[in-house]
Amino acid sequence: DSGVTQTPKHLITATGQRVTLRCSPRSGDLSVYWYQQSLDQGLQFLIQYYNGEERAKGNILERFSAQQFPDLHSELNLSSLELGDSALYFCASSVANGPAYEQYFGPGTRLTVT
Amino acid sequence: QQQVKQSPQSLIVQKGGISIINCAYENTAFDYFPWYQQFPGKGPALLIAIRPDVSEKKEGRFTISFNKSAKQFSLHIMDSQPGDSATYFCAAEDQTGANNLFFGTGTRLTVIP
Repeated sequence: DSGVTQTPKHLITATGQRVTLRCSPRSGDLSVYWYQQSLDQGLQFLIQYYNGEERAKGNILERFSAQQFPDLHSELNLSSLELGDSALYFCASSVANGPAYEQYFGPGTRLTVT
Repeated sequence: QQQVKQSPQSLIVQKGGISIINCAYENTAFDYFPWYQQFPGKGPALLIAIRPDVSEKKEGRFTISFNKSAKQFSLHIMDSQPGDSATYFCAAEDQTGANNLFFGTGTRLTVIP
């Protein structure tokens, strides 16, 4: 158990809908990262927050947004969902920001868009 | 555009054998190279990592070999065990401090008894 929690574990929704994925980092970790894992794209970095502020952006679509709250939990919002958004979404956390700080991954949320 | 290229896609090894997974990168700004292990239904977990100032790092049965000039690095699993059966991802991180990991496409390792 990494100490990172994600809810829900599974999510099934229809195209065009909006969903929110939630992540609680390990106690004491200030950085939160979101990754998408799909069969055709592999593991792709989406976005990072550090202590409430956006720190880095990767291959995140404009339909997706995230935020980190004062209690350091983070939410990833996916809107106008398409079939291609079906994937595993992982949250990871690290104690600080900077190279070589180990990222601990949560168990993921499996999103299925029908 | 895949920043980190990983091979093979799948690997079958006999128990007790050596498993070797290779990765290559182009971006010379990368300066941290971790390997992650992922079991079905779980998130990736850090296995071992290396910085480019050393050519090899060993932790138990797991060794990373790093060739800076060739921009390649590999994971060797000695005395492979059935419990090592998992998907392995190499990754690379750049020096800008943004802390984003670029992952390889993964290698599904199966160790047969």
